[in-house]
Amino acid sequence: EIVLTQSPGTLSLSPGERGTLSCRASENVRSSFLAWYQQKPGQAPRLLIYGASSRATGIPDRFSGSGSGRDFTLSISRPEPEDFAVYFCQQYGNSPLTFGGGTKVEIK
Amino acid sequence: QVQLQESGPGLVKPSETLSLTCTVSGASISSSYWSWIRQPPGKGLEWLGYIHYSGSSDYNPSLKSRVTLSVDTSKSQFSLKLTSVTAADTAVYYCARHLRSGSSSDFDYWGQGILVTVSS
Repeated sequence: EIVLTQSPGTLSLSPGERGTLSCRASENVRSSFLAWYQQKPGQAPRLLIYGASSRATGIPDRFSGSGSGRDFTLSISRPEPEDFAVYFCQQYGNSPLTFGGGTKVEIK
Repeated sequence: QVQLQESGPGLVKPSETLSLTCTVSGASISSSYWSWIRQPPGKGLEWLGYIHYSGSSDYNPSLKSRVTLSVDTSKSQFSLKLTSVTAADTAVYYCARHLRSGSSSDFDYWGQGILVTVSS
């Protein structure tokens, strides 16, 4: 199975400070089938990015995704207070579908 | 809009079978693929398996011998059975809809999740 490693484990940001989250795969992710989710306490994950770089419906443009192969990035420009949460990456190029361990984005 | 709702017991005894149902509204259960995903408290997400109304399914090999998924189109529901549970199966269980057609997908709609605790 493809193992996804996310870094850092915790990212401390000031509101308005750009943040970059990393997701590295143990092998190439087929066709950049990589998604990013946001999860707040007590809530289900919400899809932010699919296909490595396409924003899901209703997701603001301060969220952007990039990458291919084994290395993927989620960027949050000018984070708003509601963006402080845990973020997971997920690959869907190979079965079993797998998720990264998550990055917590907290207020500095 | 599309809504998913998990239901079932919140407490299961060790060695018994965990059974959950997901009820879909706002969309046809025949139009998509559907998965179960779980999250132990304070930990990451684990995909358990998917089901399609045609009967097509696949499971995570880590749990394959213990997981069975089924679908009831007349009730717009799909279900999860996990046998021989242990404390390691304590988690919030989510049902989710595949964004794209096919078994390999990301997930655009999720249920709110149901916490299942395995304890005697």
